[in-house]
Amino acid sequence: GNSVTQMEGPVTLSEEAFLTINCTYTATGYPSLFWYVQYPGEGLQLLLKATKADDKGSNKGFEATYRKETTSFHLEKGSVQVSDSAVYFCALSESLSNTGNQFYFGTGTSLTVIP
Amino acid sequence: GAGVSQTPSNKVTEKGKYVELRCDPISGHTALYWYRQSLGQGPEFLIYFQGTGAADDSGLPNDRFFAVRPEGSVSTLKIQRTERGDSAMYLCASSPGGGPEAFFGQGTRLTVV
Repeated sequence: GNSVTQMEGPVTLSEEAFLTINCTYTATGYPSLFWYVQYPGEGLQLLLKATKADDKGSNKGFEATYRKETTSFHLEKGSVQVSDSAVYFCALSESLSNTGNQFYFGTGTSLTVIP
Repeated sequence: GAGVSQTPSNKVTEKGKYVELRCDPISGHTALYWYRQSLGQGPEFLIYFQGTGAADDSGLPNDRFFAVRPEGSVSTLKIQRTERGDSAMYLCASSPGGGPEAFFGQGTRLTVV
């Protein structure tokens, strides 16, 4: 079956530090991969995506590369800011003929950036 | 509106009562999803609509949960005889259909006391 495993938190970093949040997946087919971000009290916002192997998704300084050989989609940012404090979810979506694009989410990693 | 809208944003109800949660998807999106997110967890799939029909309801935990989308736009998630374990954030998402991406609403936080 499909599943996503991501690095457990919480993660606390100083401003301008380098961020890595690990994510690995298991899928029966050829999924698309996503990182969603959830700020306190809010819903999920799409941060970035990659739809096929070796694609790199990027947005707001965050990057993640779809690695089929290691079944990974690690999130990175070179220099975090206080405003990046949030919970980050790795997710996969697999298009199936009768079930659309069902999403499978990791458990989330809480990031706190301190000044 | 521009995004997925969910109402109410917060709902407190007594154990045993009936609740309805509403989702207004992005206009023109044919696919609509409901997810449930417990504290400290990732969202878990409940049900998926393609148009008016429920294409996959395998995530509904039991027969107290039901969802409809009668005109292929707005959807209502209905929970009967609520239990304290139903307390969670209920998230709705929509997508144009055919693409891998989904857009999430702000969620409804349900608390059963």
